[in-house]
Amino acid sequence: DVKVTQSSRYLVKRTGEKVFLECVQDMDHENMFWYRQDPGLGLRLIYFSYDVKMKEKGDIPEGYSVSREKKERFSLILESASTNQTSMYLCASSDRDRVYNEQFFGPGTRLTVL
Amino acid sequence: RKEVEQDPGPFNVPEGATVAFNCTYSNSASQSFFWYRQDCRKEPKLLMSVYSSGNEDGRFTAQLNRASQYISLLIRDSKLSDSATYLCVVNRGNFNKFYFGSGTKLNVKP
Repeated sequence: DVKVTQSSRYLVKRTGEKVFLECVQDMDHENMFWYRQDPGLGLRLIYFSYDVKMKEKGDIPEGYSVSREKKERFSLILESASTNQTSMYLCASSDRDRVYNEQFFGPGTRLTVL
Repeated sequence: RKEVEQDPGPFNVPEGATVAFNCTYSNSASQSFFWYRQDCRKEPKLLMSVYSSGNEDGRFTAQLNRASQYISLLIRDSKLSDSATYLCVVNRGNFNKFYFGSGTKLNVKP
């Protein structure tokens, strides 16, 4: 059974804190993604990675960075958390070399920044 | 303009009804198309891919109209368990980047 796991389901942090969200997949997928999901806005891509140590900005990268040191692990970092980063964060992975490639999502991390 | 637009609903239908959702996409270079389903407080999961010739999976039928740049999902004989949010997803041909609609909420009532 394919699996994407995220380090926390719920997280509460204070403004200015550094926040790490971890994602691990066991499907040997090349591609990994971080999205945030907000009511009425849908899923918006923050960053994605198509290989180890490779990363590309998505549509809303400001205030975020990522790290991919191993194929199975993709980390999202909020350098200095702000209240407007309160959201649901979803990690996903997919095969790289197919046009119709399914994305598999983790269960999500609901982050609240106070 | 958003890459992918959907009617947010909610669509409230009785069990057994047929319901259809549409989704429009803005970039004519889009190459692959999907419907995902998201249950309340859960992650999205692939419902079906949408191919140029249209495709069917049991009670679900998906259609693609490239000329008008829209995708449709038809659900026949609705079940209570079909209640969810349906997300339209488009890939522009860069295999690594997907664009999501904000979802259409379906409530199937007894």
